[in-house]
Amino acid sequence: DTAVSQTPKYLVTQMGNDKSIKCEQNLGHDTMYWYKQDSKKFLKIMFSYNNKELIINETVPNRFSPKSPDKAHLNLHINSLELGDSAVYFCASSAQRRNEQFFGPGTRLTVL
Amino acid sequence: ILNVEQSPQSLHVQEGDSTNFTCSFPSSNFYALHWYRWETAKSPKALFVMTLNGDEKKKGRISATLNTKEGYSYLYIKGSQPEDSATYLCASFGNEKLTFGTGTRLTIIP
Repeated sequence: DTAVSQTPKYLVTQMGNDKSIKCEQNLGHDTMYWYKQDSKKFLKIMFSYNNKELIINETVPNRFSPKSPDKAHLNLHINSLELGDSAVYFCASSAQRRNEQFFGPGTRLTVL
Repeated sequence: ILNVEQSPQSLHVQEGDSTNFTCSFPSSNFYALHWYRWETAKSPKALFVMTLNGDEKKKGRISATLNTKEGYSYLYIKGSQPEDSATYLCASFGNEKLTFGTGTRLTIIP
């Protein structure tokens, strides 16, 4: 059974489009995260949700909007995609905020 | 130290040799230090989470130590095997978020 799953695995789209990435965890964790892996392979936190409540919004452009319908899901919606949004996006979850994090397989977004 | 820094950036080690690498982190607002192992084309997987000064943790041939007062952690691998080839990330938990270093890329030469 996959603990943290993301869909889609690959996403290729045109500049200006709106797209969503879905994340689901079946670990019963309270906290979920979105990370962006930049061109230098650096993992940077974007958002953190605890029990559906936004905890961290790390100076991410307003075009990025996370949505947590329940504590097992944290989706990422991106409006008006730009070339610089091309990256690998990882979802993760943890039982509590300081605990080890379990990562999804990543979504490679390519904006043309 | 303002950011999480890891050294060296990459390392080649002969199979069977032991090795270690360093993670430096801000000692203010510190709550926990995480180590993750990240194999190519996979996602990061946690090795250790340490919180107390002087903590030492061990999992098989891999161990880690923590010094919160001076802000550093070491990861040790004893008797390296080809399957140890991966990027090792450390991350400091503070201010409600995990801040990652850029990783040490370890390659084991058979």
